[in-house]
Amino acid sequence: NAGVTQTPKFQVLKTGQSMTLQCAQDMNHNSMYWYRQDPGMGLRLIYYSASEGTTDKGEVPNGYNVSRLNKREFSLRLESAAPSQTSVYFCASRVHRDTEAFFGQGTRLTVV
Amino acid sequence: DAKTTQPNSMESNEEEPVHLPCNHSTISGTDYIHWYRQLPSQGPEYVIHGLTSNVNNRMASLAIAEDRKSSTLILHRATLRDAAVYYCILNSSGGGADGLTFGKGTHLIIQP
Repeated sequence: NAGVTQTPKFQVLKTGQSMTLQCAQDMNHNSMYWYRQDPGMGLRLIYYSASEGTTDKGEVPNGYNVSRLNKREFSLRLESAAPSQTSVYFCASRVHRDTEAFFGQGTRLTVV
Repeated sequence: DAKTTQPNSMESNEEEPVHLPCNHSTISGTDYIHWYRQLPSQGPEYVIHGLTSNVNNRMASLAIAEDRKSSTLILHRATLRDAAVYYCILNSSGGGADGLTFGKGTHLIIQP
């Protein structure tokens, strides 16, 4: 099993550009999550999807949109990137909210 | 959200046991205690979780105080590969927002 796969692993954007971060899991999990991690900090929740067809805002949703494409895939879109969005982005999934979460390896995004 | 308090850093010697403390005095009855760790340049990795009773798995043990206001993650015999940031997180199985709330965690340093 691949677990949680994120693409790309690295990306450099110019201010104002848009991009979509992709996440896929092969564990048949219901819940999926997007986090960001700034240097020296813990992870902060951007958006989550408790089940296919639903999405909800987390702690820091401004400047982002998400799509739960199907049960496997949950994408994160930056419509107009800003330097403040420079961060490492992690996708995670789990069966449901009571169970352990599995994380991807992260996408390191730099906005210049 | 119920919060946790952990020491910023701890140091231990290789092949010795490590006890990582966590205080969670505002824990509610539906909160599970989860532990994750994050190795350098990787996504977080699930370690263990529990509700009321002590728990053991192949990675670690979790000792939960009788009043549930504190817990301790125990690594029985630390190796250099255990050097990581360890996060103690309260995961609510009740209503409210989904997702794991990460603090800054404890940076565990293992000396050879």
